[in-house]
Amino acid sequence: DQQVKQNSPSLSVQEGRISILNCDYTNSMFDYFLWYKKYPAEGPTFLISISSIKDKNEDGRFTVFLNKSAKHLSLHIVPSQPGDSAVYFCAATGTSGTYKYIFGTGTRLKVLA
Amino acid sequence: ETGVTQSPTHLIKTRGQQVTLRCSSQSGHNTVSWYQQALGQGPQFIFQYYREEENGRGNFPPRFSGLQFPNYSSELNVNALELDDSALYLCASSLRGFETQYFGPGTRLLVL
Repeated sequence: DQQVKQNSPSLSVQEGRISILNCDYTNSMFDYFLWYKKYPAEGPTFLISISSIKDKNEDGRFTVFLNKSAKHLSLHIVPSQPGDSAVYFCAATGTSGTYKYIFGTGTRLKVLA
Repeated sequence: ETGVTQSPTHLIKTRGQQVTLRCSSQSGHNTVSWYQQALGQGPQFIFQYYREEENGRGNFPPRFSGLQFPNYSSELNVNALELDDSALYLCASSLRGFETQYFGPGTRLLVL
């Protein structure tokens, strides 16, 4: 049973446009969500996070939106740059007990120059 | 500030052998988590260590075991290796009570 789903395996976007990556979850006990970026041969790099008490968090070009009723979160990158090309993972955790992350399967973003 | 480091970067073993992977946590972090990432999948939680004790375990058999040392570094041991154990093994460190985990570059294990 996959508790965190990223239904788009890949996404291509023109440089300068908006990239929107989506993530759905099923476990209502999740209350903290994160996005990581991963380049080949490197570990995941933390991008941005959001607590369930908020519905939006912004950091520079990156914004994460959380819709708790729909159990859906999205990552917006504006404007997209060629260096953003990577695999993006969303992760979810419950903050009581072990902070184990449940990851989605990733979305490969390609930003075209 | 030193980030999370892992060793070795690559490893080739044969089925039935045992392997030990090592992780040094980021400066100031006291919690270490281990994940297995198979090709085309997201990382899967193996276990977490805090204060040298296992603090949560994912759906992995007992032949996956670990240690955390007083300096918060950690080891992942896998006994009786199987072909399906071939994967990228990621270590992540964090400060207990803070939710964000920071990952190392991983160890790529190939079991033949």
